[in-house]
Amino acid sequence: GAGVSQSPRYKVAKRGQDVALRCDPISGHVSLFWYQQALGQGPEFLTYFQNEAQLDKSGLPSDRFFAERPEGSVSTLKIQRTQQEDSAVYLCASSPPAGGYNEQFFGPGTRLTVL
Amino acid sequence: GDSVTQMEGPVTLSEEAFLTINCTYTATGYPSLFWYVQYPGEGLQLLLKATKADDKGSNKGFEATYRKETTSFHLEKGSVQVSDSAVYFCALSKQGAQKLVFGQGTRLTINP
Repeated sequence: GAGVSQSPRYKVAKRGQDVALRCDPISGHVSLFWYQQALGQGPEFLTYFQNEAQLDKSGLPSDRFFAERPEGSVSTLKIQRTQQEDSAVYLCASSPPAGGYNEQFFGPGTRLTVL
Repeated sequence: GDSVTQMEGPVTLSEEAFLTINCTYTATGYPSLFWYVQYPGEGLQLLLKATKADDKGSNKGFEATYRKETTSFHLEKGSVQVSDSAVYFCALSKQGAQKLVFGQGTRLTINP
């Protein structure tokens, strides 16, 4: 079956531009996560959805970052007025419904370069 | 806050060598612990996990034991192969918190 997909795979933006990154989770997965991975570092948590509800956005670095998942499936991470420090790989992960911890399945990521 | 520290890389070994990648964590309560692997050109994949103290996770010849007394979860493999070349990430998750907290990653290269 299809895994988590993300688009675009690569995005180059000029400083100050707005960008939108898309994540298609595995069908039926309730939970969806966004992470930011700087070069040579581990992924860092940005935000978490359960269905359409954004339950944790504590990792969003500034109010320029906004995420949504309006129908509980596809999610979009939007970054307004991009800055050079936003350059990173943005990872999306999804996990199925159940109690306790569930394995997170990661997409290939979107590499964002801000010039 | 919660954190994970991994041994610094890169690590280069010859095929059939013994591998250890150290991982220690700082967290309140009783986190679950994980090793994720990222092969070249691919996304992160769960390699193994352990959810309570003294549990041993294992997969593909890799093992790691949850040691609460030393707050460690070291990754080991008895005989590495060239195909094990990848970046390895140690991570933790707290009950109910869902999100993963990752270490900085260790790049492993196995030479034939």
